[in-house]
Amino acid sequence: GENVEQHPSTLSVQEGDSAVIKCTYSDSASNYFPWYKQELGKGPQLIIDIRSNVGEKKDQRIAVTLNKTAKHFSLHITETQPEDSAVYFCAASTFGGGNDMRFGAGTRLTVKP
Amino acid sequence: DTAVSQTPKYLVTQMGNDKSIKCEQNLGHDTMYWYKQDSKKFLKIMFSYNNKELIINETVPNRFSPKSPDKAHLNLHINSLELGDSAVYFCASSPIGGGWSTDTQYFGPGTRLTVL
Repeated sequence: GENVEQHPSTLSVQEGDSAVIKCTYSDSASNYFPWYKQELGKGPQLIIDIRSNVGEKKDQRIAVTLNKTAKHFSLHITETQPEDSAVYFCAASTFGGGNDMRFGAGTRLTVKP
Repeated sequence: DTAVSQTPKYLVTQMGNDKSIKCEQNLGHDTMYWYKQDSKKFLKIMFSYNNKELIINETVPNRFSPKSPDKAHLNLHINSLELGDSAVYFCASSPIGGGWSTDTQYFGPGTRLTVL
């Protein structure tokens, strides 16, 4: 089955700096890669996703890149703000196969003002 | 509001008891899930239901049983609760059924279960 590894487990940056979180996956059949943000006491919320037919996707300060050959994908947050502080999860699944979605272990991002 | 909702938000109970967590989604989705998040924040899928049919059971003890009275609800029943069951349980749903927009899972707010 799919195995998703996520690094780093904790990340601390100064406000305004960039943050990068990296994930690798094992199943070459995986083709859907969402990123979730989980704030304290809340459920994970989708912030961006990417499918295997594109290599990069951007939404304002958030971008995700995908390298299918190397089986890794990354989340990039630019101009970080204190409200970006949360736990971020990457995940991977096959198209139309949400039943097989596997999550990374999470990265606790702290943005210091 | 369109969302995935869970009740209760907090559940504190004694070992050996039986408890249920309810989940409802009004998004019209076809598939619902239960996840367990442990103290280290690791998210692990427990069950998936598609149109009231169980799709996967990730080696969860049979003390846990999902019940889906209809497509919009997936409740989680737990019998003979153990200390190790303490965790946050999340319900989620997704519009599985074809097309590029069908993979995203939408999570509920979670239920923090504490077994004493």
